[in-house]
Parts: sequence; structure tokens; C-alpha cells
Amino acid sequence: GAVVSQHPSWVICKSGTSVKIECRSLDFQATTMFWYRQFPKQSLMLMATSNEGSKATYEQGVEKDKFLINHASLTLSTLTVTSAHPEDSSFYICSAEIEASGTETQYFGPGTRLLVL
Amino acid sequence: GENVEQHPSTLSVQEGDSAVIKCTYSDSASNYFPWYKQELGKGPQLIIDIRSNVGEKKDQRIAVTLNKTAKHFSLHITETQPEDSAVYFCAASMGSWGKLQFGAGTQVVVTP
Repeated sequence: GAVVSQHPSWVICKSGTSVKIECRSLDFQATTMFWYRQFPKQSLMLMATSNEGSKATYEQGVEKDKFLINHASLTLSTLTVTSAHPEDSSFYICSAEIEASGTETQYFGPGTRLLVL
Repeated sequence: GENVEQHPSTLSVQEGDSAVIKCTYSDSASNYFPWYKQELGKGPQLIIDIRSNVGEKKDQRIAVTLNKTAKHFSLHITETQPEDSAVYFCAASMGSWGKLQFGAGTQVVVTP
């Protein structure tokens, strides 16, 4: 399958600081990438859909000014958690969509664990 | 919007036995149904998927069946092994629109 990487794999930061997470599709170009967050023992919750060269589409209840998403190229999307607070501590996972033979498939990155102190 | 229900929430099986996880979806327009395996601390890994023009798909020990009339689909794992222990998520989407709606997940434990 297609390979998606995330960096960093984990980060600890102080409350009030900003954290940037990178998502890269390594062996394919992804017009669309998705950002999810996952709390312990829960399912994945879609935060936003990121399309290359355009503004991200945020899900209801997700603050776009707090979770800044940039999709500057077909292989890179970034999520910046601005002014992070302890309640933002979570597992953030991106996925990249690949299209082949008229069908689309999402492949996920390994996730980034964020701990805000 | 789409709603996906997944059962059971936990499943314990003896090594070598079969495991079955079932999901139901609400939106009849959904036409793409992937299954993901997530190990502790890792991202979900696509293990198999099925599209609405197919009723069954198999890949070695893993198979997925789809009943569009009843709006449910199932994951079947045969000859389970300890390394099959993980959380499994089903999902549904309307294909080219991309957004996946996930089930709540099933914790599968395979005991030797």
C-alpha cells in the first residue's frame, strides 16, 4: 500500500505554545488529505479535509483558527495547533487519498501524540 | 449524515478460531466500505475494502461481505493468530466524496 509519514511522532509542549505536525505522502501525490484526532479507546474523529492549493474544510465544532491547516503541495499537509492547552492533548492522525482506476482509497499516517502540559 | 454502528466492541477468540465483526450503515448512498486495523500507538492500516458493486472480497485469511439491501457489511478473519490482536474499525463513505464515517471499533484479542 501507499506510504504516509507524519512528523513528529510525539511532542510535549507547554500550554500556550503552538505545535506543527507534518503529513507527507511518500510515494504518491495526494490531492486530498484528511486530519483526524483520536482520544484513548475511541474512534477516529474527522477534523478537516485538506485540498492542495485551497482552504481546508473543517468539520462542525472544530475551530479553524485553532487548528490551522496548510496543504501547499501534493505531498505535504501541515496541521498547526495554535495556543495549545491540555485539552488539546490527543493522538492526531492524517490520511492521504490516492486515486487509481477511478476509485479513491485513504491511507493513514502513523499518528502524532501530543501532550500539552 | 452517515452513521456507522459496529459490533461487538470487544471480541476474544482462541488462536485458530474465526472472528467476525459486523457493521451497519444508514446512508444508502454509501458505496465504499474499508476496514482498518489499528495496533496500540499506531495509525490505522487498511486491511481490506469493498465497493458496492461487489458482494464479497477475500484476501488470504481476511474476507469482507456486503449486503447493500440490509445495509450491513462484515469482516471475517479465519485461522486467527496472536498478531491479529488489535482494534479493528469499519468505515463507510460515498466514494469520491472522500469522507469516511468510522464505526466505534472492535478490540480483538487472540489468545494462544
